Amino acid sequence: DIQMTQSPASLSASLGETVTIECRASEDIYSNLAWYQQKPGNSPQLLIYDANSLADGVPSRFSGSGSGTQYSLKINSLQSEDVASYFCQQYNNYPPTFGAGTKLELK
Amino acid sequence: EVQLVESGGGLVQPGRSMKLSCAASGFTFNNYDMAWVCQAPKKGLEWVATISYDGSSTYYRDSVKGRFTISRDNAKSTLYLQMDSLRSEDTATYYCARHLLLQWPALGYFDYWGQGVMVTVSS
Repeated sequence: DIQMTQSPASLSASLGETVTIECRASEDIYSNLAWYQQKPGNSPQLLIYDANSLADGVPSRFSGSGSGTQYSLKINSLQSEDVASYFCQQYNNYPPTFGAGTKLELK
Repeated sequence: EVQLVESGGGLVQPGRSMKLSCAASGFTFNNYDMAWVCQAPKKGLEWVATISYDGSSTYYRDSVKGRFTISRDNAKSTLYLQMDSLRSEDTATYYCARHLLLQWPALGYFDYWGQGVMVTVSS
């Protein structure tokens, strides 16, 4: 199985700050990567697919980038409603696998 | 508005069975592949199984093969997960999700999720 390693495992940031979360795949996944946001007590919601395509209704302060084995999710101008856990998921190789998650808190 | 509403979770003893349901609305159910994804307490997400839009193809993660069965009733817009021979390690919240596949088997992302249903396997 492809291993997805996210970093950091947790981070604390201030309102208005720019935050970047990294996701590294154990082999090339050819941009077949999605990012999800899971707010406390809620189900995951799709943010980004195909590494850099914004899902419907997702604010433009979220963006994805990367290629090969290295990918990142950037949140510009952090808002209070962005407090959540974020997960990456690869869908290039069977079985689809997720990263362990990054917990984002407000400083 | 797309809605996925799971039901059927609860406490079950090891070795017993449980069936989860997921009622879908707000989209043409029989046009989409569907999946179950689980999340153990305080842990990450894990894909469980996927079924094709017409029910003709199914795929499972190795740890549930032969124990879990995914199925669907397109007339009722409902997805199911029959869970047999349950183990303590199956304890998790199970999410129903719409699975947008790029290719079989099960390679795609999940664009809508239900609220989840908790399954606890314990004696």
